[in-house]
Amino acid sequence: DAGITQSPRHKVTETGTPVTLRCHQTENHRYMYWYRQDPGHGLRLIHYSYGVKDTDKGEVSDGYSVSRSKTEDFLLTLESATSSQTSVYFCAISGTELGDYGYTFGSGTRLTVV
Amino acid sequence: AQSVTQLGSHVSVSEGALVLLRCNYSSSVPPYLFWYVQYPNQGLQLLLKYTSAATLVKGINGFEAEFKKSETSFHLTKPSAHMSDAAEYFCAVSLFNNNDMRFGAGTRLTVKP
Repeated sequence: DAGITQSPRHKVTETGTPVTLRCHQTENHRYMYWYRQDPGHGLRLIHYSYGVKDTDKGEVSDGYSVSRSKTEDFLLTLESATSSQTSVYFCAISGTELGDYGYTFGSGTRLTVV
Repeated sequence: AQSVTQLGSHVSVSEGALVLLRCNYSSSVPPYLFWYVQYPNQGLQLLLKYTSAATLVKGINGFEAEFKKSETSFHLTKPSAHMSDAAEYFCAVSLFNNNDMRFGAGTRLTVKP
């Protein structure tokens, strides 16, 4: 395994509650990404990080925030969960920002907002 | 902005038959192109990538893809399908850095005995 784990693997939460998803890596990679996967849309970038405390928005960042206080951990927070945020969330890591490198993905977190 | 289009959300083949999954890209500059595979309840795994070194790229599990600039295509093929190939396949494109990565909607491959 590439040393990337996501927790929890499954979560059901109620509308309006805060939710935090965790991505942990043991590869000491600088770049970390959060994606959501929805049928018919493939994967869409939510936020990414290029170092400790360095983060930026992706194409679907509304309603999400992130934090990275350590190289190995990248947290995704839904401040007030909505049903439209029901999705499968994937974390990915990369050792370089170069576009030809590709990603290593975690196994995903399936989030259901009821 | 760059994008990819995967033709066919579902493809079904018989075991032993040719697998062809189609991907067309749109990019203003020479792109980097990727194919990923996702097995049920798992994350995506890199199958192969095109980085301009060679137009025919060989990947894991017997898959290969050919970059055709004139057709803006990067189709994925495998000469003989195996039951274990049943999965969802994603084409992706990036330009200068990984933050630009864009994924297609995915193609689900079914392999019939």
